[in-house]
Amino acid sequence: AQSVTQPDARVTVSEGASLQLRCKYSSSVTPYLFWYVQYPRQGLQLLLKYYSGDPVVQGVNGFEAEFSKSNSSFHLRKASVHWSDSAVYFCAVSIPGGYKVVFGSGTRLLVSP
Amino acid sequence: NAGVIQTPRHKVTGKGQEATLWCEPISGHSAVFWYRQTIVQGLEFLTYFRNQAPIDDSGMPKERFSAQMPNQSHSTLKIQSTQPQDSAVYLCASSSTGGTEVFFGKGTRLTVV
Repeated sequence: AQSVTQPDARVTVSEGASLQLRCKYSSSVTPYLFWYVQYPRQGLQLLLKYYSGDPVVQGVNGFEAEFSKSNSSFHLRKASVHWSDSAVYFCAVSIPGGYKVVFGSGTRLLVSP
Repeated sequence: NAGVIQTPRHKVTGKGQEATLWCEPISGHSAVFWYRQTIVQGLEFLTYFRNQAPIDDSGMPKERFSAQMPNQSHSTLKIQSTQPQDSAVYLCASSSTGGTEVFFGKGTRLTVV
């Protein structure tokens, strides 16, 4: 079965600084990978997804992520964060042809002024 | 497209009472999921429907929880004899096919007093 690990429960960065949120996955096959963001009192919203092809995928609001098969990782990056990026970020994985999307435990991002 | 609609947004029940949560998936989506979110357990998969048929309820507590999808436009999650430990945010999600990106509703926050 597939699984996802987000090793950092909380990350604090200064506004304007760069960001990397880490995600490691475990899967017997090359999976589908996702990053979602959750703002307070909201559901999860898709930031970006990887199905195949170019390992660097672009998402909304300047976010990007890079798939690494050798490292079993799908880290999320942003060049310059804004205070409005403060939220909880979830990495998720599914198996092509399967149905279940498995979520990591989430990383709470706080952007300080 | 109004997205996935969940009602009510908040529900308070007394211990031992029944709670019914409603979900309207995105029109045309064949896959519907229910998740439960708590601080301690994070995002937990509860159950999955495909084309209205129950496919996987492996995450559902067996004794008091039930889910149905009587038609393609809505699903319900029913909790009988609610207990304080059932307090959580219940999220409904849908996707065009299982395993691909899922779209979440804003959730129902259930509080059992």
